[in-house]
Amino acid sequence: DVQLVESGGGLVQPGGSLRVSCTVSGFTFRTYWMSWVRQAPGKGLEWVANIKQDGSEKFYVDSVKGRFTISRDNAKNSLYLQMSSLTAEDTAVYYCAREENYDSWSGPSRYLDYWGQGTLVTVSS
Amino acid sequence: EIVMTQSPATLSVSPGERATLSCRASQSVSRNLAWYQQKPGQAPRLLIYGSSTRVTDIPARFSGSGSGTEFTLTISSLQSEDFAVYYCQQYNNRPPWTFGQGTKVEIK
Repeated sequence: DVQLVESGGGLVQPGGSLRVSCTVSGFTFRTYWMSWVRQAPGKGLEWVANIKQDGSEKFYVDSVKGRFTISRDNAKNSLYLQMSSLTAEDTAVYYCAREENYDSWSGPSRYLDYWGQGTLVTVSS
Repeated sequence: EIVMTQSPATLSVSPGERATLSCRASQSVSRNLAWYQQKPGQAPRLLIYGSSTRVTDIPARFSGSGSGTEFTLTISSLQSEDFAVYYCQQYNNRPPWTFGQGTKVEIK
């Protein structure tokens, strides 16, 4: 079975840093793009970042550019999100998700198929 | 960034009735659209991708349609387990991927 398990969430002070991790099993991690998606308390979903199979391409939502870094260790089947200069607006449950490839009408595309259960990051003094 | 707008924000439906959820993109996303269901305290669950392809194990009462900028998720006969929040998400071309703000389907 495909499993994604996030860890590393917790309480951090404004301006602080935190790294969250996602360990996967049940599929060949190194062959998939991976994403981070977050959800502030009582709010909707916001895509945060993704990373190519070999780590050579990374994309971020504007609100985290320059503050968050996505990375992966294919030998450890793990995905990471290093977060710095945190503010209260970064308080959220952070989910990792796998991006599945398929051939769409407009060419190769990817959608988010499997998600972890999330880890809560709270930024507060 | 492509903005996704869902309507209505809340849909009150009786069990057994049909529910129709709408999602509009600020520019064409072709058919690169997915629908997710989320229940309280749970991660989102993928229902449909490619606008209309239902994921394995998702009941046939869920169907998706649309292309370009207008999309619809239809639940033909609501069951008790279908009351949840539903999100659309576009994944066209290059990131950032973007989600709609969600439609809450509640019991009437």
